[in-house]
Amino acid sequence: QVTLKESGPALVKPTQTLTLTCSFSGFSLSTRGMRVSWLRQPPGKAPEWLARIDWDDDKFYSTSLRTRLTVSKDTSKNEVVLTMTNMDPADTATYYCARMADIIGDYFDYWGQGTLVTVSS
Amino acid sequence: EIVLTQSPGTLSLSPGERATLSCRASQSLSSDHLAWYQQKPGQAPRLLIYAASARATGISDRFSGSGSGTDFTLTISRLEPEDFAVYFCQQYSDSRTFGQGTRLEI
Repeated sequence: QVTLKESGPALVKPTQTLTLTCSFSGFSLSTRGMRVSWLRQPPGKAPEWLARIDWDDDKFYSTSLRTRLTVSKDTSKNEVVLTMTNMDPADTATYYCARMADIIGDYFDYWGQGTLVTVSS
Repeated sequence: EIVLTQSPGTLSLSPGERATLSCRASQSLSSDHLAWYQQKPGQAPRLLIYAASARATGISDRFSGSGSGTDFTLTISRLEPEDFAVYFCQQYSDSRTFGQGTRLEI
């Protein structure tokens, strides 16, 4: 079955760079049409889409966060990595990775459990 | 950016009743590119509906989606205790944005 799991630091200091890893199973990111996105959700708020990487290594970023985000994949390890630079307390949120398998639909059919990242000195 | 407005903010109903949740887009969505998710406390969102009306794998037929253009509805017939949660709509017509959510409470 399809599973995804996020890992990374629970606490980062302001101005630091956050690196999160999404480890997945049950599908291959080398299969045409497969994509993995990163999203975040501040406590009590709606999810926000951050970035996406496609089976062909195309990458897409949120317009508002584009300058701070980098997404990459290691297909052999079934991993996707997100880095976010210059972290701020406003970036405190639960960060999720999610699969997108419909080539004509950017919706998220499987999600990881999420990892809470707190930004504080 | 397409803004999604969900109403009501909170919906108070009893098990066995019918729930109607609304999602309005600030501009028309092409090809009915709208999805609905359910989120329970401490859990990730779960996909319920995509393409406005298609049920995701394993989702009960008590959940149905409808609408087109700018106005969309999620209907839950005969509420079960496990249905009380927060529901989000998400558009994927132009990038990807979420509504602010509707809390369905007992």
